[in-house]
Amino acid sequence: ELTQSPGTLSLSPGERVTLSCRASQSVTSGQVAWYQQKPGQAPRLLIYDIFKRDTGIPDRFSGSGSGTDFSLTISRLEPEDFAVFYCQQYGISPPTFGQGAKVEIK
Amino acid sequence: QVHLQQAGPGLLKPLETLSLTCSVSGGSFSGHYWTWIRQPPGMGLQWMGNVLPGGTSKYNASLTTRLTISADTSKRLISLRLTGVTAADTGVYFCARGNGWMDYWGQGILVTVSS
Repeated sequence: ELTQSPGTLSLSPGERVTLSCRASQSVTSGQVAWYQQKPGQAPRLLIYDIFKRDTGIPDRFSGSGSGTDFSLTISRLEPEDFAVFYCQQYGISPPTFGQGAKVEIK
Repeated sequence: QVHLQQAGPGLLKPLETLSLTCSVSGGSFSGHYWTWIRQPPGMGLQWMGNVLPGGTSKYNASLTTRLTISADTSKRLISLRLTGVTAADTGVYFCARGNGWMDYWGQGILVTVSS
C-alpha cells in the first residue's frame, strides 16, 4: 500500500513543494514512478525509477527516496503545475498507486 | 509519435459484459506491454492488468475471474473484456503503454454501470 501526504496543498506560483509517498513495505529496486493528472485528462508520466524524468519533463520536477519513503519535488511551481499527483510502485505485483495529492492554487 | 485511441460503450446494465478497445498508432507495438488502468469517480487509479503481444497476460487478483486482456498484432489493437459488471465497475478506463511505469496513455473512457 502506498500512502501519500499531504492530501491537499494550497500554494502560490513560484513556491517549492515536496510530496511524500510512503510504502507499507520496501519497494524492490526503487521501482517508483510519479504522475500528474489534470481534470478530465489521462495521467502524465513525470518520473520513473525514483528519479528519472520522462522525455520532455522540465527539470523543476525531481524525484528521490529509497526503501519505503519517496518524494516528488517541484522546485518552483508554474501555473500549469497545479493538479493531482500520484505515486506508483511497480516492484511488487500488482502495481499500485497512492491515493493522490492535490496541489491547488492558493 | 505514439497515440492510443480508445473506443467502447459508455453505459452498461448490471451483469453485462464490458468490451473496450485501444488502437495504437506510431512506435513499436509488439515490443511493449499494454496495460489497462481504471479510475472510479473522484478516486485514485487501479492497475487492472496487461498483455505483451504474442505473450502472456497478467491480471490484478481482484479481477482475474472476470477480466480478459488481449492483443491483436495485425490490427495493433488492445482489447479489454470484463464480465458481470456491477456499479463498482463504474469509472474511467485507460489503456497505457508499459509494464512498470506507463509513458503513453489513451484518452480514457467513462463507463457507467446502471440499471
